[in-house]
Amino acid sequence: DAGITQSPRHKVTETGTPVTLRCHQTENHRYMYWYRQDPGHGLRLIHYSYGVKDTDKGEVSDGYSVSRSKTEDFLLTLESATSSQTSVYFCAISKTGGGGYTFGSGTRLTVV
Amino acid sequence: AQSVTQPDIHITVSEGASLELRCNYSYGATPYLFWYVQSPGQGLQLLLKYFSGDTLVQGIKGFEAEFKRSQSSFNLRKPSVHWSDAAEYFCAVGPGLNSGGGADGLTFGKGTHLIIQP
Repeated sequence: DAGITQSPRHKVTETGTPVTLRCHQTENHRYMYWYRQDPGHGLRLIHYSYGVKDTDKGEVSDGYSVSRSKTEDFLLTLESATSSQTSVYFCAISKTGGGGYTFGSGTRLTVV
Repeated sequence: AQSVTQPDIHITVSEGASLELRCNYSYGATPYLFWYVQSPGQGLQLLLKYFSGDTLVQGIKGFEAEFKRSQSSFNLRKPSVHWSDAAEYFCAVGPGLNSGGGADGLTFGKGTHLIIQP
């Protein structure tokens, strides 16, 4: 979507390796979110940020960490990837934290 | 904690027929409500949203949804489906204006997979 990009779009990694996914926005929105999407589960919130250096855990945060050192970038790190973290990861941004959300195109991560 | 239930995992509808996708939610206050659509391999596209006011909301692609507070429901409807409507549909809730704040994002249902028969 315009104003939000995710990188990489696809990644295959080995079990036990660290992985970092990047979400970049040009909208200057305060709030940013990381979700994972799995069949039969819909989208589940991993972590979110409500400002630079302000982050909090979501529903499925175990095994993930995040950082936000500047407004435009929100990084999701898998410290030691496991096969259960094979998923499609979506980033979202919101100006107000409640009213409207814009989603990125997703990153398909495969852990082998 | 908030939750969203989409009772139908799959729905099959004939092209030209009407459609209703069900969504029920559990939330402590009046939430903001959303419907998203996702085509295979694609991201999420917002169909419509309810914040306040008129409980019948019009969206893109001819979709509408009705908020019924007494039933905690936000069902999605379309009078006549097209083959291009085949996709995954997600209902979601987010913190509303009087929820006491909270920027903790949306809670999604598990989705309904819509199949269109010719």
